[in-house]
Amino acid sequence: GQSLEQPSEVTAVEGAIVQINCTYQTSGFYGLSWYQQHDGGAPTFLSYNGLDGLEETGRFSSFLSRSDSYGYLLLQELQMKDSASYFCAVRDSGGYQKVTFGTGTKLQVIP
Amino acid sequence: GAVVSQHPSWVICKSGTSVKIECRSLDFQATTMFWYRQFPKQSLMLMATSNEGSKATYEQGVEKDKFLINHASLTLSTLTVTSAHPEDSSFYICSAQQPLAKNIQYFGAGTRLSVL
Repeated sequence: GQSLEQPSEVTAVEGAIVQINCTYQTSGFYGLSWYQQHDGGAPTFLSYNGLDGLEETGRFSSFLSRSDSYGYLLLQELQMKDSASYFCAVRDSGGYQKVTFGTGTKLQVIP
Repeated sequence: GAVVSQHPSWVICKSGTSVKIECRSLDFQATTMFWYRQFPKQSLMLMATSNEGSKATYEQGVEKDKFLINHASLTLSTLTVTSAHPEDSSFYICSAQQPLAKNIQYFGAGTRLSVL
């Protein structure tokens, strides 16, 4: 089975940098993704790491270490609109490559 | 990016009735779609993997006779909650992936089901 752990809540100041960690235990692994979900909305894709290292997409960066079963999402220059829940997700290496989501981190950005 | 349409967005029904939720990929063909359930302030729980032209693959603990999934075409999957009860009230979300970009899930807007 798959298990992904994240901090439940994080609070940060507008303009600051915040890191959201994700540790996983999986029976198969084919990549780590990050999704953002605003209250009442659908998740939207942010970033994907298939290999070790850092991926940068604008203000968002994501890091993966497969040997440590660990990844993180880094949000820079925080804006109020970044207040949302963030989920890491693992893509299974099985036939249908299903995606299992982490426990989720609620980020609150304060002025 | 790819667009996934999900309908209805909100439904209220009486206990014992059945509710059908549709998930369509509008600008790509999706051989595989996924159905999730999400309780307030919790993560997305995968219910089943919907495969075009074959039976759905259900996750452990999900009643396949309760949650009927049909993937009749490459752009449409439906989830029917049969004989709904108040405990089935939840937020149901579908997602689809493009065959050549399986690292990205495109989500529908979700369906909020309230069973009275």
